[in-house]
Amino acid sequence: SQQGEEDPQALSIQEGENATMNCSYKTSINNLQWYRQNSGRGLVHLILIRSNEREKHSGRLRVTLDTSKKSSSLLITASRAADTASYFCATDQGAQKLVFGQGTRLTINP
Amino acid sequence: SAVISQKPSRDICQRGTSLTIQCQVDSQVTMMFWYRQQPGQSLTLIATANQGSEATYESGFVIDKFPISRPNLTFSTLTVSNMSPEDSSIYLCSAELAGAYTQYFGPGTRLTVL
Repeated sequence: SQQGEEDPQALSIQEGENATMNCSYKTSINNLQWYRQNSGRGLVHLILIRSNEREKHSGRLRVTLDTSKKSSSLLITASRAADTASYFCATDQGAQKLVFGQGTRLTINP
Repeated sequence: SAVISQKPSRDICQRGTSLTIQCQVDSQVTMMFWYRQQPGQSLTLIATANQGSEATYESGFVIDKFPISRPNLTFSTLTVSNMSPEDSSIYLCSAELAGAYTQYFGPGTRLTVL
């Protein structure tokens, strides 16, 4: 499978700062989704952006998609301790099958 | 959205035995999937669970090792057969609602094989 790349692999910031995570992929996609995972538990769906969309917002989350560069970014504004988690991008490359990136481990320091 | 439950939530098993994981969805779904997450790694798709027919497996995964059933739209099982320590992972099921394009995940089953 064409697994995506995420960077950074780990990010540590102070509470209140903004956190930006990037995701790159290799093939054409139908959509790209971002998920959060707390301490090896199940994944929580954050946001879906379609291939014909360039930017999407949900609360403190902002996602961009650049299909020409095959990349996406997730911005979390005004971070909180509860945002500490691993964040994964996943691309739908057809047949509703998701290909996940390696993930970014985000730590918010109080 | 959909609420997905998995049983068991965790288990410790002996080498050579098998474990069946159950996944139940509270909504009518179109697609169900099974993923594996090895320690410290990302998720890898094992197979698509098809209702009333054989599952569709991804490269590197075979039916003899990971038999899957989906007797109806909202329920599926994954069996990890003849386990070895390398099978120690979190196994997650997911489901996609009709027209939603979003996959909802269960809480996962943490499997440790001794």
